[in-house]
Amino acid sequence: DAEITQSPRHKITETGRQVTLACHQTWNHNNMFWYRQDLGHGLRLIHYSYGVQDTNKGEVSDGYSVSRSNTEDLPLTLESAASSQTSVYFCASSESYSGTGGNEQYFGPGTRLTVT
Amino acid sequence: GENVEQHPSTLSVQEGDSAVIKCTYSDSASNYFPWYKQELGKGPQLIIDIRSNVGEKKDQRIAVTLNKTAKHFSLHITETQPEDSAVYFCAAKGTNSNYQLIWGAGTKLIIKP
Repeated sequence: DAEITQSPRHKITETGRQVTLACHQTWNHNNMFWYRQDLGHGLRLIHYSYGVQDTNKGEVSDGYSVSRSNTEDLPLTLESAASSQTSVYFCASSESYSGTGGNEQYFGPGTRLTVT
Repeated sequence: GENVEQHPSTLSVQEGDSAVIKCTYSDSASNYFPWYKQELGKGPQLIIDIRSNVGEKKDQRIAVTLNKTAKHFSLHITETQPEDSAVYFCAAKGTNSNYQLIWGAGTKLIIKP
């Protein structure tokens, strides 16, 4: 069965370190998204990609970067981790289509990141 | 830009009763409104969605209603069961956005036995 996975599931790192969170999907979806989830804020979009070599900034992109070298993977990098980046991070993917409306986003299980 | 407000933040109902969660959106051109359920320790999962050309959609015990004039949409769960306990998110997609969703802050639904 197709799935979307994230690794690691839990990560503790120190302030100033570079951290990369992995996201891998086998749905063959063109669209991939990274969100962070914090209490009281719901899901906030960090970066997204609509295909290979395409990346775009979301509403909370400062301090984060992504790259898309293939369809399956969209790794999220924290260039210099800060305590404000302690959060739960979710990766999602969806189909691309032509027309109106929207498509279901399939979410990974999340990565809990703690920056000390 | 689009903004989505969701109420209440916490809802506690007796098992077997109905639960209603409401969301309002700001962009009158929004055309897609999904609802996601997030169980503890998992990612959100789509449970129902509605498009702007439809006023109501139902799937077993779950229904969603859309009022385009008032710019609000609601999730209705009837005959609630313990497994309905979760966090529920509403979202909206504006016509200026290809595939991005703007999310509500979430509602924690507690089903009391």
